[in-house]
Amino acid sequence: QVQLVQSGSEVKNPGASVRVSCRPSEYTFTDYYIHWVRQAPGQGLEWMGWIDPKSGATKSTQKFQGRVTMTRDTSISTVYMELSRLTSDDTAVYYCGRDVYGPFDYWGQGTLVTVSS
Amino acid sequence: DIQMTQSPSSLSAFVGDRVIITCRASQSISNYLHWYQQRPGKAPKLLISAASGLQSGVPPRFSGSGSGTDFTLTINGLQPEDFATYYCQQSYNTLYTFGQGTSLEIK
Repeated sequence: QVQLVQSGSEVKNPGASVRVSCRPSEYTFTDYYIHWVRQAPGQGLEWMGWIDPKSGATKSTQKFQGRVTMTRDTSISTVYMELSRLTSDDTAVYYCGRDVYGPFDYWGQGTLVTVSS
Repeated sequence: DIQMTQSPSSLSAFVGDRVIITCRASQSISNYLHWYQQRPGKAPKLLISAASGLQSGVPPRFSGSGSGTDFTLTINGLQPEDFATYYCQQSYNTLYTFGQGTSLEIK
């Protein structure tokens, strides 16, 4: 059964950075892009960007450009999303999702990132 | 970026009702439109891909249609487990976007 397992909850101070990991399993890691989506409390889904695990190429929406870094480690089949210069507006659940040529068929369980002093 | 607008934002209905949720794209996206269901505290679940492709295991009371800029998600014979929030998502270009969501509540 395909799974995407994410790292645990984080609490960060404003101005800090956070790194969330996503480890897919039960399929070939490099076959599908991984996307990052976040959801602030009581709000909708917000698409952030994607990474191609095969090449390492990334793309993110303009809102996060300069603040988000997506990387992968093929040796351990894991992708990472790092968000810098955190503010309280970045408090959200962060999800990774597997892109099957458009839709996301499998999602991680979500990682709650809380930004608070 | 392509903007996706869902309507209504919220909807109340009875068990057994038929409901229709619409999603409009700010430009033509062919059929690169997908629908998700999200229950509180859970990750979204893919219901329909490519505007009308029902995912394996999703009940046939769910259906999708549309092309270009206008799309609909129809639920025939609402069941108690269908009360959730629904999102559309476009994948027409490399910058994906979601609609703002439609919250479906029990009347």
